[in-house]
Amino acid sequence: NAGVTQTPKFQVLKTGQSMTLQCAQDMNHNSMYWYRQDPGMGLRLIYYSASEGTTDKGEVPNGYNVSRLNKREFSLRLESAAPSQTSVYFCASKGLLSSGNTIYFGEGSWLTVV
Amino acid sequence: AQKITQTQPGMFVQEKEAVTLDCTYDTSDQSYGLFWYKQPSSGEMIFLIYQGSYDEQNATEGRYSLNFQKARKSANLVISASQLGDSAMYFCAMREGLHGNKLVFGAGTILRVKS
Repeated sequence: NAGVTQTPKFQVLKTGQSMTLQCAQDMNHNSMYWYRQDPGMGLRLIYYSASEGTTDKGEVPNGYNVSRLNKREFSLRLESAAPSQTSVYFCASKGLLSSGNTIYFGEGSWLTVV
Repeated sequence: AQKITQTQPGMFVQEKEAVTLDCTYDTSDQSYGLFWYKQPSSGEMIFLIYQGSYDEQNATEGRYSLNFQKARKSANLVISASQLGDSAMYFCAMREGLHGNKLVFGAGTILRVKS
């Protein structure tokens, strides 16, 4: 049971570099999300995709782009990384009729921008 | 305005005792869902319990129960018979609309279980 898988788990970037965080889910869920977690802030929604082919901004979208490649995959791209984007990033997914309307998270990706 | 408030940055509890983690929320929606997640030191987010706004009974899942007081807009998590493995960060979250797409999180409470 893979659930939600995200890669890489750890990454160090230099300011101005670009990178893409990959996320895939094998639960046939329609909705997928990208969150970032900063100390004392809980998790904040960056972007989400309610279904294949659609994406919408969350609370903190600036500096990020996303692609819903297909139903399984939802990637997050940092075009020009900044130190303020140092954070832990979580991908998540939710099925239309998931048990208890539960949202399931990946294991997180630790990103440091120096 | 803060939608989810967790007023306890950190809590200690003695092993085998019960502990309540507080959560209050703010919404004008009639339909919403409330969640609790556990985040151990390894970092993953583990779903614990869910309460829908129309559920009349408090949700329970094993040692976890959700004390849902709708009029007070509170959704406290009760952990009975605490275990050392319960030491973790706990997040309360809310989704507006029963099938809405945005989950809003509180800042979290760190729980430490003492032996």
